[in-house]
Amino acid sequence: DARVTQTPRHKVTEMGQEVTMRCQPILGHNTVFWYRQTMMQGLELLAYFRNRAPLDDSGMPKDRFSAEMPDATLATLKIQPSEPRDSAVYFCASGFERGYTFGSGTRLTVV
Amino acid sequence: AQSVTQLGSHVSVSEGALVLLRCNYSSSVPPYLFWYVQYPNQGLQLLLKYTTGATLVKGINGFEAEFKKSETSFHLTKPSAHMSDAAEYFCAVSGPGTASKLTFGTGTRLQVTL
Repeated sequence: DARVTQTPRHKVTEMGQEVTMRCQPILGHNTVFWYRQTMMQGLELLAYFRNRAPLDDSGMPKDRFSAEMPDATLATLKIQPSEPRDSAVYFCASGFERGYTFGSGTRLTVV
Repeated sequence: AQSVTQLGSHVSVSEGALVLLRCNYSSSVPPYLFWYVQYPNQGLQLLLKYTTGATLVKGINGFEAEFKKSETSFHLTKPSAHMSDAAEYFCAVSGPGTASKLTFGTGTRLQVTL
């Protein structure tokens, strides 16, 4: 089965450091989402792309977060500088409007 | 704008009993509706979806859901719960074209007891 691949699976970093999370969407999928999951807030949509163009990043703190799709095989989510409140599981999903596949997530801990 | 409401953050059933997880949606366009399951420390797995056509949709692991436009509902059911069904279940909505942002409910944790 085709998979959405996210790296790294786990990341522990110190406050103030830059964090980059990567996602390899399934080949041919035209839409990519980035979500953040925490116990308090549940699943929050951070940003999404269609055909590599950003459609909505209103859920993302603009001062520290950035999301890009440099090519069709890679989506990135960067946090600079990271803060303890950014600790969460970050999921990438790809697909079409009639169905999406999620990656296994990146568990980020900022200490 | 689209949204979903999941009634009951926790549901507990006995093994072998009926599972019913409730989801109501709000959408200004014909909705696409999804149920996802999340096991501990894992990603979200698609259980089933409704886009168009038959309103009763069957998914994996014996689950099914019925799209009821008049009630704006998409409840998830399974006739007989199994211990392995214990997980978090998320209802989500999107739509065609510019409404294609996937919006999730807050989730329902299903507990299955002996």
